[in-house]
Amino acid sequence: GENVEQHPSTLSVQEGDSAVIKCTYSDSASNYFPWYKQELGKRPQLIIDIRSNVGEKKDQRIAVTLNKTAKHFSLHITETQPEDSAVYFCAASLNTGNQFYFGTGTSLTVIP
Amino acid sequence: GAVVSQHPSWVICKSGTSVKIECRSLDFQATTMFWYRQFPKQSLMLMATSNEGSKATYEQGVEKDKFLINHASLTLSTLTVTSAHPEDSSFYICSARVPLLGRGGVDTQYFGPGTRLTVL
Repeated sequence: GENVEQHPSTLSVQEGDSAVIKCTYSDSASNYFPWYKQELGKRPQLIIDIRSNVGEKKDQRIAVTLNKTAKHFSLHITETQPEDSAVYFCAASLNTGNQFYFGTGTSLTVIP
Repeated sequence: GAVVSQHPSWVICKSGTSVKIECRSLDFQATTMFWYRQFPKQSLMLMATSNEGSKATYEQGVEKDKFLINHASLTLSTLTVTSAHPEDSSFYICSARVPLLGRGGVDTQYFGPGTRLTVL
């Protein structure tokens, strides 16, 4: 089955700096990679996603890059703000509509 | 975006009782829903895939007789924790599969708010 690894597990940055979270996956058949943000006690919220036929996608301060050859993808948050503080999960999906395999999560703290 | 609700949001029960958790898609039909379990400061662990009108598919290691899943309609899936014990205490989250228009068949998932179960 698919195995998704995520690092770092915790990340602290100064407000205004950038944050990068990296994930690797094991199954080359995976073709969809969403990122979720989860605040304490709340539901995971989809913040950005990327398909395997695209190398990079950007949405305001958030961007995701995908390297299919190396089987890794990354989340980039620029100009971080305190409200970006949360746990971020990456996921990989083997086929459309099938199960998501989640990474172990990264707890991001943005220091004002 | 797609809205998924869960009920109850939290529940406390005595050991040995059964607890039912509902997951509803409010503004769309969800042929497939997923049930996850999340321990504090840990990732989401997929328990089972719930398909409308058919039996759920359970992940390895998840007891199907203990975690009963029913997906009787296109907007409702239920998870029943039978004969709950303290080790079943956890945060249970459902999600619904949502087709992404214009994405060539790619689906994503939207999550419910979760249910905090505490078994005494």
